[in-house]
Amino acid sequence: NAGVTQTPKFRVLKTGQSMTLLCAQDMNHEYMYWYRQDPGMGLRLIHYSVGEGTTAKGEVPDGYNVSRLKKQNFLLGLESAAPSQTSVYFCASSIDNGNYGYTFGSGTRLTVV
Amino acid sequence: AQSVTQLDSQVPVFEEAPVELRCNYSSSVSVYLFWYVQYPNQGLQLLLKYLSGSTLVKGINGFEAEFNKSQTSFHLRKPSVHISDTAEYFCAVTYTGFQKLVFGTGTRLLVSP
Repeated sequence: NAGVTQTPKFRVLKTGQSMTLLCAQDMNHEYMYWYRQDPGMGLRLIHYSVGEGTTAKGEVPDGYNVSRLKKQNFLLGLESAAPSQTSVYFCASSIDNGNYGYTFGSGTRLTVV
Repeated sequence: AQSVTQLDSQVPVFEEAPVELRCNYSSSVSVYLFWYVQYPNQGLQLLLKYLSGSTLVKGINGFEAEFNKSQTSFHLRKPSVHISDTAEYFCAVTYTGFQKLVFGTGTRLLVSP
């Protein structure tokens, strides 16, 4: 039972490069989320999805895009990476809107130089 | 708008001493409250949650929290901490129909011998 799997775990990008972070869950959860974690700022919601084919903006969506073509996968894209996007990115999923808690992945540490 | 305040960014404590990590929330409607723990270089794990019923909630690893509606608080407590409790702790809140959790900025618990 893998839960929530994030790939890659580490990545270094040059400014202006693009990349996609993959989140996969095997729990048949409807809701999926992308957060970024920065020192002293806690977790901030980037984008989320309430079901296959849906996406919505969170607190800090600028510079990111997402897609949920399959229920089990939620992709986070950076079209043109900036140093301000250096962060640890966490994916999470939940059965409903989070009333019963989230299951988190182990994170992706991204450095943009 | 919902928000969560964790007043203490860091709490140092000696092993076997009691600890309380503070969490206050703002909401004009009924809420669901959570505490998550993040060990170094890992994702977040659910410690405990309050959905309804008894205001004293027991979680994993000997932690408990008390929901106080009049003071809009959900403080986390443990009567005797271990070195292994060293981690970052996040309080989070949501309510029916909100579709996402709002996290506090976290409290780093440092347990020393």
